Amino acid sequence: EAGVAQSPRYKIIEKRQSVAFWCNPISGHATLYWYQQILGQGPKLLIQFQNNGVVDDSQLPKDRFSAERLKGVDSTLKIQPAKLEDSAVYLCASSSDTQYFGPGTRLTVL
Amino acid sequence: EDKVVQSPLSLVVHEGDTVTLNCSYEVTNFRSLLWYKQEKKAPTFLFMLTSSGIEKKSGRLSSILDKKELFSILNITATQTGDSAVYLCAIKGNYGQNFVFGPGTRLSVLP
Repeated sequence: EAGVAQSPRYKIIEKRQSVAFWCNPISGHATLYWYQQILGQGPKLLIQFQNNGVVDDSQLPKDRFSAERLKGVDSTLKIQPAKLEDSAVYLCASSSDTQYFGPGTRLTVL
Repeated sequence: EDKVVQSPLSLVVHEGDTVTLNCSYEVTNFRSLLWYKQEKKAPTFLFMLTSSGIEKKSGRLSSILDKKELFSILNITATQTGDSAVYLCAIKGNYGQNFVFGPGTRLSVLP
């Protein structure tokens, strides 16, 4: 069974620039999550999709972050414009009963 | 608001020692508790616990859940340097499939 795929693995940008991350979940997993993990902390949920609908985006900073999952499979997370405090690892996960994580994208905002 | 607390936040031991990591939680509608190991990359799944008092075991790792006292422990016996990682506890509620993570316990195993 292929795992959760994410790209890119690393990204370095300057503040006020835009960035986008991509995620392909495990085949058949209807639920997809985006998490932000700041160094030294546990993952914080940004947004949860069930198929192509949003279940929970209460912690997503909507003034700068957006996410979509148009066909209920792949998803993209965008930050526009980025701030210094957005430097973190962005984890995508998918689940049936157990949650599986992708390798993450390490974002550095200079 | 659902909440997960882990202790200790960091721990340094020597190879061969046994460690116990703690996770306590507050959740409105509990469904399951999960343990993950995170090295330099994404968390990898260890255990999922849904019932009190039933130990889950995998090699030198074991875990148990107490739904009355709202906590779980993760035991690692005969630790090895490869056990060095952050151990994350997460709870899953009955609403949708939302997972709430604790801050993690950073375990360092010295040779």
